[in-house]
Amino acid sequence: GAGVSQSPSNKVTEKGKDVELRCDPISGHTALYWYRQSLGQGLEFLIYFQGNSAPDKSGLPSDRFSAERTGGSVSTLTIQRTQQEDSAVYLCASSAGLGSGGKDTEAFFGQGTRLTVV
Amino acid sequence: GQQLNQSPQSMFIQEGEDVSMNCTSSSIFNTWLWYKQDPGEGPVLLIALYKAGELTSNGRLTAQFGITRKDSFLNISASIPSDVGIYFCAGRLTSGTYKYIFGTGTRLKVLA
Repeated sequence: GAGVSQSPSNKVTEKGKDVELRCDPISGHTALYWYRQSLGQGLEFLIYFQGNSAPDKSGLPSDRFSAERTGGSVSTLTIQRTQQEDSAVYLCASSAGLGSGGKDTEAFFGQGTRLTVV
Repeated sequence: GQQLNQSPQSMFIQEGEDVSMNCTSSSIFNTWLWYKQDPGEGPVLLIALYKAGELTSNGRLTAQFGITRKDSFLNISASIPSDVGIYFCAGRLTSGTYKYIFGTGTRLKVLA
């Protein structure tokens, strides 16, 4: 696609329910990132994927959070047993590659999914 | 989570004035990216920097990769009302991980 696409754009869920957030990266991009942005805050790293390498999961805040990337393209972020503190905007970004630097490392973001846990 | 020190946190300026903001860290980076985020939108990439000392412009925006590789600044010249938004820096460490660490953001408000 022309840009990073995320769905849904908004999600309201009840505390304790599971949610799945989807990210379609830019076509051909091999690196994919998930970030979380709480109201009025900066971006908190969650996880990134690069090709077939093991993902860097170092930012996932608890074992209720997981993500997968199927076929090296679409990614799904799953939050189990949602809590009110999970309410935030979840942003996905992709880049052409990782490499040692240069334009292929530029990360482009989607519009985000605003998650509200009530 | 880990974040870069970004300043100022917020600023009000008059239309036509120049703006400067910066990010600093104790870590060394090999890439700096600067983004602008409008309300309800994802961050939009403004400028990318890849080498220490590099100075890059994009229209009225100019950014530099600090010579120590631990800092970067962004200047906006002759600000206009549509410059309003939140500006974020993002740095990528030189080794061990390819994740980007983001600054805490500078909220810019332009008074017409």
